[in-house]
This record gives sequence, structure tokens and C-alpha cells, in this order.
Amino acid sequence: KAGVTQTPRYLIKTRGQQVTLSCSPISGHRSVSWYQQTPGQGLQFLFEYFSETQRNKGNFPGRFSGRQFSNSRSEMNVSTLELGDSALYLCASSLATTTGELFFGEGSRLTVL
Amino acid sequence: GEDVEQSLFLSVREGDSSVINCTYTDSSSTYLYWYKQEPGAGLQLLTYIFSNMDMKQDQRLTVLLNKKDKHLSLRIADTQTGDSAIYFCAEQEAGSYQLTFGKGTKLSVIP
Repeated sequence: KAGVTQTPRYLIKTRGQQVTLSCSPISGHRSVSWYQQTPGQGLQFLFEYFSETQRNKGNFPGRFSGRQFSNSRSEMNVSTLELGDSALYLCASSLATTTGELFFGEGSRLTVL
Repeated sequence: GEDVEQSLFLSVREGDSSVINCTYTDSSSTYLYWYKQEPGAGLQLLTYIFSNMDMKQDQRLTVLLNKKDKHLSLRIADTQTGDSAIYFCAEQEAGSYQLTFGKGTKLSVIP
């Protein structure tokens, strides 16, 4: 069974640009969550989607947005990039039963110059 | 709000046991998790415990939960060099699929 796939793995952008990151969950998983990982703040929750609906959103500005498609694939977008957006963005999928067992992808490492 | 705290570093000798500690603040936490992250990789779920349990054992891993003190620990028996990684404790709030993670404990195993 294929794991969670994130693309691209690495990308470099400049301030003011926007970026779209993609995540394909494990087959059969309908919940997709996004986390931002930085050395200073650690892992912070961005948002969670289930059946194309955003169920939870973390404390991030409106520049961070996401969506989920009918095949459970998800994208997140960051507009007007800032230097502080440099981070590893991790996507996780789950069956969304009672437990929050998350299966993570390897992440997309974004560098903003 | 929820807060999860862990010590940042732990160093042990190969073959010894490692104990990684975590404290959390949300009394409504339903499940508590341990994840492992190796360099350049995503997080790997190691084990989890339901909040009404006080212990769970899974091969070399033992999780202890003291709900009164909101303290969680992960014991790794017979620690190997391949166990060197960052270990994250996380809590799940009741009714939510959002996890709140600690900052992670970097485990270094000395051969």
C-alpha cells in the first residue's frame, strides 16, 4: 500500500510569491491534515479536511489556505510569502475513526528568500 | 490552551533503556501519541494510549500514563543506534482530530 505522497519535496520561492503544495493520502483515507514544522515553533497544526470539508483550522493567517478534492487529494496554498514561512510542511492522512492515528508524508521543504 | 512539554535532549548507551518524558495540560485529552522522526523524513507513529489506560506495551516500547499528573513516558528497552531520532509526544483533544505536539526529544544512542 502506497504511503502519503507529497509534492514537491523541495522548493525555493521569493518573498511575495505564492506556493501550492500537494498531498495524496493513503488509499481509503478520507481525512487529510497539514502541519508546519519549524525549528523554533515545532509542529503546528494548519488545517484538517474530511470529505472536502475543512473541519479544523489552526491559528494561521488567511494567507494559508487549503482544499480537498473528491478523491481525497489535498492542496495547500500560501500567498504573499514571507521569510518566516520557510518550513517543512507535512501532510498526514488518517481513516478518521475515533483515534487520530496520523500517517505522515515526508514533507515539502519550502525556502523563502 | 493545550500545551505539551518535553525535554529537548537525551543521550543513552546502546543496550540501555531510554525513558522519554512528556507533560500535557489538556485534561480532556482522549488519546496520547508517540511519533518518531528520523533526519529528512516525516513522522512515524510508534504507539498511542487511550486516556483511560495507564500502561501499554508493544515489543520494546512501554508507554506509561499518569493522568492525575498529566505525565506520559515512553520507555525503549535495549536501545539501539537505529533508535537515534527525535521523538514527539502529542495529545488529541476530545472531539477533534487535531494533534498538539511537543517540541520533540532528540535521542542520541552512543555505541
